[in-house]
Amino acid sequence: QVQLVQSGAEVKKPGASVKVSCKASGYTFTSYGISWVRQAPGQGLEWMGWISAYNGNTNYAQKLQGRVTMTTDTSTSTAYMELRSLRSDDTAVYYCARDKLRGRYFAKDAFDIWGQGTMVTVSS
Amino acid sequence: QLVLTQSPSASASLGASVKLTCTLSSGHSSYAIAWHQQQPEKGPRYLMKLNSDGSHSKGDGIPDRFSGSSSGAERYLTISSLQSEDEADYYCQTWGTGIHGVFGGGTKLTVL
Repeated sequence: QVQLVQSGAEVKKPGASVKVSCKASGYTFTSYGISWVRQAPGQGLEWMGWISAYNGNTNYAQKLQGRVTMTTDTSTSTAYMELRSLRSDDTAVYYCARDKLRGRYFAKDAFDIWGQGTMVTVSS
Repeated sequence: QLVLTQSPSASASLGASVKLTCTLSSGHSSYAIAWHQQQPEKGPRYLMKLNSDGSHSKGDGIPDRFSGSSSGAERYLTISSLQSEDEADYYCQTWGTGIHGVFGGGTKLTVL
């Protein structure tokens, strides 16, 4: 069935980096974009950025520019999100979610499938 | 600036109906949104995409009890015949200019 399966929980020290993976199955990976969304403890959802699985084009939230990099590996249908220079307020559950492209283009479609989430804890 | 506004909380009785609201900021009343449900200790689940004319397309397996409607800048999610498992946080989401995702603050629904 269609699913996004994320990598396991991570514990990192302040200043370190983390790389979370999101493996897609059950659909044509390159027909969709992938967004990354995070949720700090007790808080709402925050959109972090988007990558086209078709051509690797990216768009990041302004507050994370320079610290986040999103990539894809079409050979394994996997998306990755790397966050650098981690701080305690980066502690959150990180989700990937897909949205349908229109051909090769971003289509403003809804996130119709979500990953199960990856807990990232930043603590000294 | 595109902002989605949701009431922080709502409540309704088991078996009753409830209507949740997501309001688009000024100048964005034509935007489509999506509704997502997040049950306690779980990840979000897609419910539906809702257009400005009230037409909507639901995700796979979403019960008929969930429906959407629109009026001006307001987007609604109506849940009828409330069940205990409907107790959850509900988020609206849309896209701003230049591929920028936006979420509302979420509404915590309590089923009494």
